[in-house]
Amino acid sequence: EDQVTQSPEALRLQEGESSSLNCSYTVSGLRGLFWYRQDPGKGPEFLFTLYSAGEEKEKERLKATLTKKESFLHITAPKPEDSATYLCAVQAPNDYKLSFGAGTTVTVRA
Amino acid sequence: GAVVSQHPSRVICKSGTSVKIECRSLDFQATTMFWYRQFPKKSLMLMATSNEGSKATYEQGVEKDKFLINHASLTLSTLTVTSAHPEDSSFYICSAALSGRGNEQFFGPGTRLTVL
Repeated sequence: EDQVTQSPEALRLQEGESSSLNCSYTVSGLRGLFWYRQDPGKGPEFLFTLYSAGEEKEKERLKATLTKKESFLHITAPKPEDSATYLCAVQAPNDYKLSFGAGTTVTVRA
Repeated sequence: GAVVSQHPSRVICKSGTSVKIECRSLDFQATTMFWYRQFPKKSLMLMATSNEGSKATYEQGVEKDKFLINHASLTLSTLTVTSAHPEDSSFYICSAALSGRGNEQFFGPGTRLTVL
């Protein structure tokens, strides 16, 4: 069974204080690893898909990296508008289903 | 691009009634859509996979007769919560897989269901 573990559960940052979120996964072959952002009361917003170890993707202050066992989401010089819950999900081969981690709730203070 | 809508955004109903939630892909065709349930401060739990023109595939523990799913076209899937009870109160979210980019799912804004 696919397992996704995210840490930390919550992260409080000062504006401009860079940090990283971790997503550890266990899956029988990885079709893709996904990062989403979710604001309270809203659906998840797609951020990145990573397919193979060594791959990196960037979007504004966010950068996602992937190894064979984990993925990191780096937040560089965060702003209050980066406050949200960040969800990681994995997709196994021959299956479109996503298995989600519990998420990391990031709060950025001005 | 890749916009998914849900309707209604909020619904309050009495116990015993049925509620239908619509999920539409607005600017793309989706052969596969998914329905999730999310409890407060918890992650998303997949309920079922919906394929256009065929029966939905339900996850273990999800009652097929309670949560009826129909995917009649490439842009519309519906979830009907039948004979709703207070324990069915939750945040229901759909997603659609972009055909040709089948790996990526795009999510709707969610529907908050409250059963009194």
